[in-house]
Amino acid sequence: KAGVTQTPRYLIKTRGQQVTLSCSPISGHRSVSWYQQTPGQGLQFLFEYFSETQRNKGNFPGRFSGRQFSNSRSEMNVSTLELGDSALYLCASSLGPEAFFGQGTRLTVV
Amino acid sequence: GENVEQHPSTLSVQEGDSAVIKCTYSDSASNYFPWYKQELGKRPQLIIDIRSNVGEKKDQRIAVTLNKTAKHFSLHITETQPEDSAVYFCAASRTGGGNKLTFGTGTQLKVEL
Repeated sequence: KAGVTQTPRYLIKTRGQQVTLSCSPISGHRSVSWYQQTPGQGLQFLFEYFSETQRNKGNFPGRFSGRQFSNSRSEMNVSTLELGDSALYLCASSLGPEAFFGQGTRLTVV
Repeated sequence: GENVEQHPSTLSVQEGDSAVIKCTYSDSASNYFPWYKQELGKRPQLIIDIRSNVGEKKDQRIAVTLNKTAKHFSLHITETQPEDSAVYFCAASRTGGGNKLTFGTGTQLKVEL
């Protein structure tokens, strides 16, 4: 069974640009959550999608958004990038409460 | 919202010794408590979890205990090995409200030969 796949693995963007990250969950999992990991703030919850609907939302500005498609694949978008958005973005796939993480996308904003 | 505190931030043990990492949570409605291991440059990996209707759970050298009254839970690793060296995160969530994990700040465990 394939695990959680995130693309791309690495991204370098310039301040003010926008970026889209992709996450393919484990087959059969309908819940996809997104987290931001930084050395200073640790792992912080961004949002969760279930059956194409946002079910939970963290405390991030509106520049961070996401969506989920009918095949459960999810994307997150960050607009007007800031230097502080540099982080490892992880998605997690869930069938029940257990969350299984992808390898992450390392975003660097310069 | 939920707040999870984790201690210690770093832990160094000799190979073969035991390691204990402790977490406290604030939301009494939290009922699911997973632990993740993250090696350098890799994804967080679920190693064990416990639900609020259970006080203790074991899986080989790893065990987790939960005290609902005190709102704290702990990870115990026995007979530590060098490959146990990693960052360990505790987390808490409410089941039934979707999948939203609140993480502790992590413990860097180093197992020395």
